[in-house]
Amino acid sequence: AQRVTQPEKLLSVFKGAPVELKCNYSYSGSPELFWYVQYSRQRLQLLLRHISRESIKGFTADLNKGETSFHLKKPFAQEEDSAMYYCALSGGGATNKLIFGTGTLLAVQP
Amino acid sequence: GAVVSQHPSRVICKSGTSVKIECRSLDFQATTMFWYRQFPKQSLMLMATSNEGSKATYEQGVEKDKFLINHASLTLSTLTVTSAHPEDSSFYICSVKQGGGEYNSPLHFGNGTRLTVT
Repeated sequence: AQRVTQPEKLLSVFKGAPVELKCNYSYSGSPELFWYVQYSRQRLQLLLRHISRESIKGFTADLNKGETSFHLKKPFAQEEDSAMYYCALSGGGATNKLIFGTGTLLAVQP
Repeated sequence: GAVVSQHPSRVICKSGTSVKIECRSLDFQATTMFWYRQFPKQSLMLMATSNEGSKATYEQGVEKDKFLINHASLTLSTLTVTSAHPEDSSFYICSVKQGGGEYNSPLHFGNGTRLTVT
């Protein structure tokens, strides 16, 4: 079964500290993985996707098929990074159905 | 600007009545839209995939007769919660798929609709 696991409900760090938001997935084929972010009082929006291999707002995420993980990392957290982060999985194909993890609230303290 | 417009943002209705939620794709035509439901402090749960010109595909456990989906045009999908009950109170979010291809284009999300059934 398709499943996305984000073990941490809350991650609190100080400004300037490194951040790693964990995401593990379960999928039998070759999934596509995404990170979505929801800032306070804003809609959910795409942060990055593994296929793009890009860094957005200083965040990166590498798909590790051996460990079935797609952890989100940033070397130096900023206060404006405080938000809810969702890891999501798509099995590909035309439907683009996304399965979301439970989300991790990142709180960056000054 | 917003790519997806969802309306209303908040609705309160009495038990037994029906509520319609609209999701509009503003910048592009969308053959596929998705409806999610989010309970407080929980993740988004996919309810159904709305397909333009054909029947919606519902996820397991979602009652299709209770959550009616209509995707009559390439820019509009509606979700109607019929005979609403207090347990239907939730946050409903639509999303629109942009583009296509083997590796799927990202989804754009609406702002969500907070439904409260009294």
